[in-house]
Amino acid sequence: DIQMTQSPSSLSASVGDRVTINCRASQTISNYLNWYQQKPGKAPKLLIYAASSLQSGVPSRFSGSGSGTDFTLTISSLQPEDFATYYCQQSYTTPFYTFGQGTKLEIK
Amino acid sequence: EVHLMESGGGLVQPGRSLRLSCTASGFTFGDYDMSWVRQAPGKGLEWVSFIRSKAYGGTAEYAASVIGRFFLSRDDSKSIAYLQMNSLTPEDTAIYYCTRVSELNGYASYDHWGQGTLVTVSS
Repeated sequence: DIQMTQSPSSLSASVGDRVTINCRASQTISNYLNWYQQKPGKAPKLLIYAASSLQSGVPSRFSGSGSGTDFTLTISSLQPEDFATYYCQQSYTTPFYTFGQGTKLEIK
Repeated sequence: EVHLMESGGGLVQPGRSLRLSCTASGFTFGDYDMSWVRQAPGKGLEWVSFIRSKAYGGTAEYAASVIGRFFLSRDDSKSIAYLQMNSLTPEDTAIYYCTRVSELNGYASYDHWGQGTLVTVSS
């Protein structure tokens, strides 16, 4: 099984900050990597697929990068509605698409 | 508009069974693979099961934690996916989400999610 490890597990930041969240796969997954955002009490929402492709309707302040085993989600200028938990997911091993453990982004 | 709605959750005793339903609307259900993801209280996301579209055999796959106990099926005429859960344990307590699997340029992702249904396994 491919293990996905996110860092940090939690992060405090202020509105307007630039934030990066990392995700590492236990083996190479090319660019088969998705990012999701989950707010309390809500279902996750797809932000980015194929490591860097922005899902329709997602603000351009979100971006993704990486290939192989190391990936990054960047929020260029944090907005109040961005405080949430973020998950990466590998889609390399069809259909066993495992998730990272999540990164909780909190207001400083 | 794509909509997924789970139902069937509730409180169940250990060892008993429960069947969850995912009712879809707003798209041609039969054209898509579907998946279930669960989230234990205060924990992260765990992939549970996946079912292919009939065009690709309609077969299902399962996470190691549920294999042999959970069974996923689909009724394309009703746009419903069913997750039959047997021999439930307290470790199965979670919110269960139904998701649509999107394939864009060969890349799969879960582009739509239901609101989730809570399953609590307790005596």
